[in-house]
Amino acid sequence: DAGVIQSPRHEVTEMGQEVTLRCKPISGHDYLFWYRQTMMRGLELLIYFNNNVPIDDSGMPEDRFSAKMPNASFSTLKIQPSEPRDSAVYFCASRKAGEYNEQFFGPGTRLTVL
Amino acid sequence: AQSVTQLGSHVSVSEGALVLLRCNYSSSVPPYLFWYVQYPNQGLQLLLKYTSAATLVKGINGFEAEFKKSETSFHLTKPSAHMSDAAEYFCAVSETNFGNEKLTFGTGTRLTIIP
Repeated sequence: DAGVIQSPRHEVTEMGQEVTLRCKPISGHDYLFWYRQTMMRGLELLIYFNNNVPIDDSGMPEDRFSAKMPNASFSTLKIQPSEPRDSAVYFCASRKAGEYNEQFFGPGTRLTVL
Repeated sequence: AQSVTQLGSHVSVSEGALVLLRCNYSSSVPPYLFWYVQYPNQGLQLLLKYTSAATLVKGINGFEAEFKKSETSFHLTKPSAHMSDAAEYFCAVSETNFGNEKLTFGTGTRLTIIP
């Protein structure tokens, strides 16, 4: 079975530009999580969805960040406008309800904002 | 509220030596506990998990961890380190009560293997 798929794997953009990161969870999984990883702050949970509905977005750093999950097989994380301090690796993870909260991670998107 | 403390952000061991990575947790209810490994430029991969069955949990690549409720610990061990074990390791906790779906991660321990 395919794991969690993220695209692009690398993104380089200039400050002020809009960035959209994409995630396809594992088929049949009910939950989807977006994380950000930096050297300074480690692994941070940004937002998570259950059955396509956002449950907790308290980790989203600013209004510049938004996330959507229009259907069970696709989610986006958008940053508009982007800033250099948004440079990080962004991970998407998914899990199935009742599976001991075990999450499966994608390979990540490395974002560099110049 | 749940939290995880990983003692030692960097650990170095010689090839063939014992690996011990420490994790202490805090949870208001019986927890689920996890160890994940991250190789360079990759996502996190599950090594093993504790789900309230056996307190000694065996995972992939020869790793195991023991849940000790009295010490609120879930340390990761491997009897003999291999060069391929060099990676970053994350301990995570999740509460078992319904409605709490989040994992709380520790800050990670970078494991270096000395040839």
